[in-house]
Amino acid sequence: QSALTQPASVSGSPGQSITISCTGTSSDVGSYNLVSWYQQHPGTAPKLIIYEGSKRPSGVSNRFSGSKSGNTASLTISGLQADDESDYYCCSYAGSSVVFGGGTKLTVL
Amino acid sequence: QVQLVQSGTEVKKPGASVKVSCKASGYTFTSYGITWVRQAPGQGLEWMGWISTHNGNTNYAQKFQGRATMTTDTSTSTAYMELRSLRSDDTAVYYCARDPEIYGSGSYRFDPWGQGTLVTVSS
Repeated sequence: QSALTQPASVSGSPGQSITISCTGTSSDVGSYNLVSWYQQHPGTAPKLIIYEGSKRPSGVSNRFSGSKSGNTASLTISGLQADDESDYYCCSYAGSSVVFGGGTKLTVL
Repeated sequence: QVQLVQSGTEVKKPGASVKVSCKASGYTFTSYGITWVRQAPGQGLEWMGWISTHNGNTNYAQKFQGRATMTTDTSTSTAYMELRSLRSDDTAVYYCARDPEIYGSGSYRFDPWGQGTLVTVSS
């Protein structure tokens, strides 16, 4: 199972919106609406921020939103804040396995 | 609060085995599965597999089949992941995470995660 494809880095200024893409195949992202996104600050464990493509766990800011089209899922962060600077990983159910994206480093300028 | 607390840093020689523990608290242990994920230094996340705390069923990533063993002790609400025949490229932080799936083969939704256990493999 190959990793999902994410851009290595994205950047934006405070208050702006950014979108991170996550491209898979018809065997994972394209077949299931079972995509999750994780935020990982340096030296800490990942934190779930989106599941089932677009749902937010309790306590996660509504500035984070998810969507999917075909084999590509996307994470949008609106109203960028300094604390959003982090690594972001997508993850997809793939039948009897799970596959992660390679990760995207978000820099808030 | 829901919490997963993992065992401490390990340093192993190539060919040895390591066993990482993950103690759960704040919820009914047997109502959720446990997934294991690892992260090599400076690299991304890699799914290793899942175990049902309800019936002990496991589902391993193909890469780890035959080399990893996931178990649970429901009396202490603790999950374990043992990795054998360690190589230098097994050097990574190993995470456990709560998984809502207790039947089937595991899910994609992991929340929360343990703090991670650094395993260093070096001669």
